[in-house]
Amino acid sequence: DAMVIQNPRYQVTQFGKPVTLSCSQTLNHNVMYWYQQKSSQAPKLLFHYYDKDFNNEADTPDNFQSRRPNTSFCFLDIRSPGLGDAAMYLCATSRDPSRDSEQFFGPGTRLTVL
Amino acid sequence: GENVEQHPSTLSVQEGDSAVIKCTYSDSASNYFPWYKQELGKGPQLIIDIRSNVGEKKDQRIAVTLNKTAKHFSLHITETQPEDSAVYFCAASLASGGGADGLTFGKGTHLIIQP
Repeated sequence: DAMVIQNPRYQVTQFGKPVTLSCSQTLNHNVMYWYQQKSSQAPKLLFHYYDKDFNNEADTPDNFQSRRPNTSFCFLDIRSPGLGDAAMYLCATSRDPSRDSEQFFGPGTRLTVL
Repeated sequence: GENVEQHPSTLSVQEGDSAVIKCTYSDSASNYFPWYKQELGKGPQLIIDIRSNVGEKKDQRIAVTLNKTAKHFSLHITETQPEDSAVYFCAASLASGGGADGLTFGKGTHLIIQP
């Protein structure tokens, strides 16, 4: 089945220790998104890739970076995680928002910062 | 930017009754309005969406209505069942040609179906 896969599902890191979360998709979609969802809150868009074009939201901290080496994979790098970065991180894809904006979400990675 | 307000934050209904969740948005240019259901520990799942050229859309027990003039849209679930218990998010997007836009979500409604 075509899907959005996130690994790992649970990640524990130490304060200040870099961490990378990964997302892969078998949908062959052009756009990949990263959202941050804190407990009992709505998902908040961090950034997205439209093919190789990177688009950062204005209020996304510099501590968060992303890489998309190919169509299928996208990574979220947190350079120096703080306690406030503990959250669920959701990856999503969409085919081409100019025609069909439906976004498909992965199951998320829950990040704990000790 | 877009701002989406969602009400209520918690909704408890008896099994078999209907549930209605309402959202308003601020950007009149937004033209795509999806609804997501999120169960505990899982990612959001799209349950229904509506585009601005349509006023109402129905899929079995779920329906969505859109009033572009008033900038509000609503989710209606009829004959609620225990498995409908989850957090529901509305969202809005400006699906402009040639570019990609993320979704602006409402804060979510925790729907509780009482047996």
